[in-house]
Amino acid sequence: EAGVVQSPRYKIIEKKQPVAFWCNPISGHNTLYWYRQNLGQGPELLIRYENEEAVDDSQLPKDRFSAERLKGVDSTLKIQPAELGDSAVYLCASSSRTGAYEQYFGPGTRLTVT
Amino acid sequence: SQQGEEDPQALSIQEGENATMNCSYKTSINNLQWYRQNSGRGLVHLILIRSNEREKHSGRLRVTLDTSKKSSSLLITASRAADTASYFCATDAAGGSYIPTFGRGTSLIVHP
Repeated sequence: EAGVVQSPRYKIIEKKQPVAFWCNPISGHNTLYWYRQNLGQGPELLIRYENEEAVDDSQLPKDRFSAERLKGVDSTLKIQPAELGDSAVYLCASSSRTGAYEQYFGPGTRLTVT
Repeated sequence: SQQGEEDPQALSIQEGENATMNCSYKTSINNLQWYRQNSGRGLVHLILIRSNEREKHSGRLRVTLDTSKKSSSLLITASRAADTASYFCATDAAGGSYIPTFGRGTSLIVHP
């Protein structure tokens, strides 16, 4: 079974530039999560999808961050414009359903904003 | 905010020794999970313990949960160099939305 796929693995951009991250969850997993992990910290949830519906986005900085999950499969997380403080690892995870608890994480995208 | 807090922040042991790390949390929970993260890789789920359970085993892993003290411990027995990683506890609040909240993690180094 293929795991959660994320791309790119690394991204370096200048501040004020836009950036997008892509995630392909495990086949059949209806629930998809985006997390941000700062250095030395645990992951913090940005947004959770149930199929194509965003059901928990209270931690998503909506002035510059946006996300979509078209057709309830792949998802894209965008930052526009990026700020220095956005440098972090962005993790995507999926689970078979809400309440399944066990989440399967992708390798993450390490973003560096200069 | 981070619900669970792991202790110690860092742990260094020799191969073959046992490693114990602790997690404390603030509010009542439904479940507590432990995850492992190797350097440069994503998180891997290790074990889940429900609020009505006190102890769980999985291979060389032993997890305990004390809801009266709002704490959990993860014991790795007979550690190996491959166990070198960061370990995170994640809790989901009782009555919440099943979203695990992660702590800052314990960095474990196992020397060969």
